[in-house]
Amino acid sequence: QSVLTQPPSVSAAPGQKVTISCSGSSSNIGNNYVSWYQQLPGTAPKLLICENNRRPSGIPDRFSGSKSGTSATLGITGLQTGDEADYYCGTWDTSLSAGAVFGGGTKLTVL
Amino acid sequence: EVQLVESGGGLVKPGGSLRLSCAASGFTFSDYSMIWVRQAPGKGLEWVSFISTSSSNIYYADSVKGRFTISRDNAKNSLYLQMNSLRAEDTAVYYCARDRVLRSSTWYGSEYWGQGTLVTVSS
Repeated sequence: QSVLTQPPSVSAAPGQKVTISCSGSSSNIGNNYVSWYQQLPGTAPKLLICENNRRPSGIPDRFSGSKSGTSATLGITGLQTGDEADYYCGTWDTSLSAGAVFGGGTKLTVL
Repeated sequence: EVQLVESGGGLVKPGGSLRLSCAASGFTFSDYSMIWVRQAPGKGLEWVSFISTSSSNIYYADSVKGRFTISRDNAKNSLYLQMNSLRAEDTAVYYCARDRVLRSSTWYGSEYWGQGTLVTVSS
C-alpha cells in the first residue's frame, strides 16, 4: 500500500493526451515538491518533472506537471508508442516516519 | 558527465548481510544528498534511505529501519548501504540516486540514477 495513490493503468491512442493523477496528504504532496519519473522496462527511472511543474533539460514540452492541494497530475500530450512505460510520482513526507515516498506506479499503454 | 555505479549485489541467504556501494563521478559528491531506492521484481519503486551531505540527516523506510545502515565517504566519492538480517522481501534491484538540490536536508527529486544492482535473498 503506497503512501501516494496512482491509478494502476491508463491508456490512450497515439497523438492523444493522457493525465495521471497522484493523490497524497498534507504531510507529503500538500507541503512538498512533487517529481515524476518514467521507467521503461529494465531501466532506471528517468526524471520527467521536478518541483511540481518544471521540466529538466532535454524533456520535451509534451510532458507537464501540476499540483493542487494534496494532489498532483502528470500530463502527456501527443502520445507516442515510445511513451509506453511505468510512471511514478514522488515527494518527501514529513510525518512521524519522515522520508521520501513514491506512488504505486501507473502503466501507460499507447493503443 | 554524472555517473553513479552500484555494486555489491548478489545472492544471500535469509538472515545474511550484504554491503552495497555506489561510486559517484562527474560532480562534487560532497555537495549532494543521496538516496537508495529499491524495486522488487514486478513491483513499484520503494524508497529505502536518505543521507545528507555531511551525514547529519539520515532517514530510513520503516521496512528497513534497524536492519540497514546508510553511510557515505565524501573523500572516496562513495555511498554505501549495509544490509543486515536480510529477508526474502528485501529481494530487489537497488538503485542509488543523487538529489537534485545542492546541500539539501530532504529529498527534492533525483535526476541521476545508477543502473541498479540486484539483491536476491533466498535459501
